[in-house]
Amino acid sequence: EIVLTQSPDTLSLSPGERATLSCRASQSVSSTLLAWYQQKPGQAPRLLIYGASSRATGIPDRFSGSGSGTDFTLTIDRLEPEDFAVYYCQQYGSSPPYTFGQGTKLEIK
Amino acid sequence: QVQLVESGGGVVQPGRSLRLSCAASGFTFRSNAMHWVRQAPGKGLEWVAFISYDGDKKDYTESVKGRFTISRDNSNNTLYLQMSSLRAEDTAVYYCAKAKFGSSSWFDYWGLGTLVTVSS
Repeated sequence: EIVLTQSPDTLSLSPGERATLSCRASQSVSSTLLAWYQQKPGQAPRLLIYGASSRATGIPDRFSGSGSGTDFTLTIDRLEPEDFAVYYCQQYGSSPPYTFGQGTKLEIK
Repeated sequence: QVQLVESGGGVVQPGRSLRLSCAASGFTFRSNAMHWVRQAPGKGLEWVAFISYDGDKKDYTESVKGRFTISRDNSNNTLYLQMSSLRAEDTAVYYCAKAKFGSSSWFDYWGLGTLVTVSS
């Protein structure tokens, strides 16, 4: 089973700043098989990024994903108030389980 | 637009059974793989089960194998999760999620979830 470890657990930033969230895999993950989701309190997760770097429909271009192998990054430029949420990375390879990272909480400083 | 609406959650005693449903609309349900994902109170996301577009392939996370069964009714656009021998640690919000394509694809839409509480 591939284990995904996200860092930091909590990130405190101000609106307008840049957020950099990390996701490290216990073994190499194909970059085509890595996604990022955003979840706000009381809401379902929302797909942000798939294939490590492709934005989902309707996602603003201030969200970007990068990385390969075991290290992946979600970057959010010019933070907006609505961006403060919990973010999860996920690998969805051909062999279940489809593991998620433990999440990074992005909070307002 | 794509809609996934879960139902069937509630409070159930340990050892009992419960069946969750997920009504799908806004897309060709029979063409997409589907998943169940759960989230225990205050915790992260945990993938639970997968079913292929035609129901022929299924898979489960280790902790629910032999207790949970995923199924689908493509004629009624509905996904199911039959849960038996429920344990306290199964307490969670259960989400159904649509796969973009088949088994190796991301989850592009999620329902709002249904809460299952296992307690005596």
